[in-house]
Amino acid sequence: AQSVTQPDIHITVSEGASLELRCNYSYGATPYLFWYVQSPGQGLQLLLKYFSGDTLVQGIKGFEAEFKRSQSSFNLRKPSVHWSDAAEYFCAVGFPFSGGYNKLIFGAGTRLAVHP
Amino acid sequence: DVKVTQSSRYLVKRTGEKVFLECVQDMDHENMFWYRQDPGLGLRLIYFSYDVKMKEKGDIPEGYSVSREKKERFSLILESASTNQTSMYLCASSLLAGDNEQFFGPGTRLTVL
Repeated sequence: AQSVTQPDIHITVSEGASLELRCNYSYGATPYLFWYVQSPGQGLQLLLKYFSGDTLVQGIKGFEAEFKRSQSSFNLRKPSVHWSDAAEYFCAVGFPFSGGYNKLIFGAGTRLAVHP
Repeated sequence: DVKVTQSSRYLVKRTGEKVFLECVQDMDHENMFWYRQDPGLGLRLIYFSYDVKMKEKGDIPEGYSVSREKKERFSLILESASTNQTSMYLCASSLLAGDNEQFFGPGTRLTVL
C-alpha cells in the first residue's frame, strides 16, 4: 500500500541555521510530490511540487527540495531559517485512485520551532 | 487569486446534533475534498467529489456524508455529531487533470461537547 513517512515529529533549529526535513514514500512508480506548510490556525499553503524533470525543485520562501528516486525520498531544505518559518510542514504524494482519479496521501507532519 | 473558503473558522456543537460544514471555491475546479486533521496523524481524506452530484469515499468516511449540488460548493455533513469527531476539518479543491495540486481553505475547528 502507498504510504508517506515523515520521520521527525518535532525539529528545533536556531534562526540562521540550515534546515532539512525528511520525507520518504512507498510506491512502485514515481508519484507527484508536494511540500505544504501550515502556520498556526491556518490552512495549508503549497511550498513546492515535483512531477517530472529536474530533481531539484525551487519553491517559495527560499525552500527547495530534492527528489531521489533510489531512496524514495523528497527532502525539504532551506539554507538559513527565519523565525517566521516556525510552522508545521507536510509532505504529500499523489497516487492514482480507483476509477482513474488521483488523490493525495499526506505524511503526519513535522513541527518546526525556531529559536532566536 | 485562487480562493477556497469555509463557512466557519470555529464551531461548537453538542453530541447528537446534525452539523453542516460548507466549502466554496472560485476556481472552477472539478475536484473537491474534505479532510480531517488530527495531531500526529496528518490529514486523512473523508470524502471527495470529482463532479456535481458525484462523490467517492475516502479513507475515513464513517459518520460523515457529503453533498455537491453545485460545482463550486461541497458540504460535509455530520448526521449525529460525536465527541470523537472533534477535529480540524480542511476543504480543498483541484483540477481534474494535471499534477494533483490541491488548494486548501483555512479550516474549521469543530468541537463536539
